[in-house]
Amino acid sequence: EIVLTQSPGTLSLSPGERVTLSCRASQTVSNTYLAWYRQKRGQAPRLLIYSTSIRATGIPDRFSGSGSGTDFTLTINRLEPEDFGVYYCQQYGNSPPYSFGQGTKLEIK
Amino acid sequence: QVQLVQSGGEVKKPGASVKVSCKTSGYTFTDYWMHWLRQAPGQGPEWIGWNNPNSGDTRSAERFQGRVVMTRDTSINTFYLELTSLRFDDTAVYYCARGPRSGAFDLWGQGTLVTVSS
Repeated sequence: EIVLTQSPGTLSLSPGERVTLSCRASQTVSNTYLAWYRQKRGQAPRLLIYSTSIRATGIPDRFSGSGSGTDFTLTINRLEPEDFGVYYCQQYGNSPPYSFGQGTKLEIK
Repeated sequence: QVQLVQSGGEVKKPGASVKVSCKTSGYTFTDYWMHWLRQAPGQGPEWIGWNNPNSGDTRSAERFQGRVVMTRDTSINTFYLELTSLRFDDTAVYYCARGPRSGAFDLWGQGTLVTVSS
C-alpha cells in the first residue's frame, strides 16, 4: 500500500497570498494518477485536480498541480476566503487500496 | 440534478451490522463505478472498496475483506454498503463517491455518520 505524506500539517495565510502544498508518496505513483481534494467542515471532499495537473470542472485556474514519481505539489495563487479548509492528496495509479494523505489544513491568518 | 443521496445516521452496538444506502440521480447509473470510503474524526478519507454498476462485481481493501458487502439495485439506481461485526473503531462518516474503477472521485454523497457505541 502506498503511503502519502502531506506537508505542512497546518498553514496560516492571508487572502491574496500564494501557497504550495506538498504530497510525497512512499513509492512511485503510476501514470501520475494523483488527485487533490478540499474539504470544508461538515462537508464531503471536493475534487480539485486529477491526473496530477488537470483541473476538475468548475475549478478556477488559480489552482495548479504538478509533480511526478513520488513528489507532487498543489499551488494556489491569490488565495480567496473560500479556499480555506483541509486539503488531501489521493493516489489511484496503483492497485487498491487508493490511499489518501493525512491532510494539510489551510487557515485564514 | 446530479447527486448522490445517502441514508441517515446510525447508532449500533459492537458486533452488530450496518447498511448504508446511496441513491444516484441525474446521470446514467452504469457510466460510473461507485466507491465507498470512510473518514474517522480528524483523519483523512480511507478507501473501503468499489462496486461495478454493470456486473455487480466488487473489490474491497484487504483490511475490510470478510466484513464488507457492497451491492446495488439497478431498478432504483441505488448502491449499498453493509459492514458487519462492527467495532468501536468503525465509528466514522461513511461516503459513497462515483468515479472510474481506478480514478479520482468527482461526486460524493453527503456522508452518513455511523456511531458504534455500547
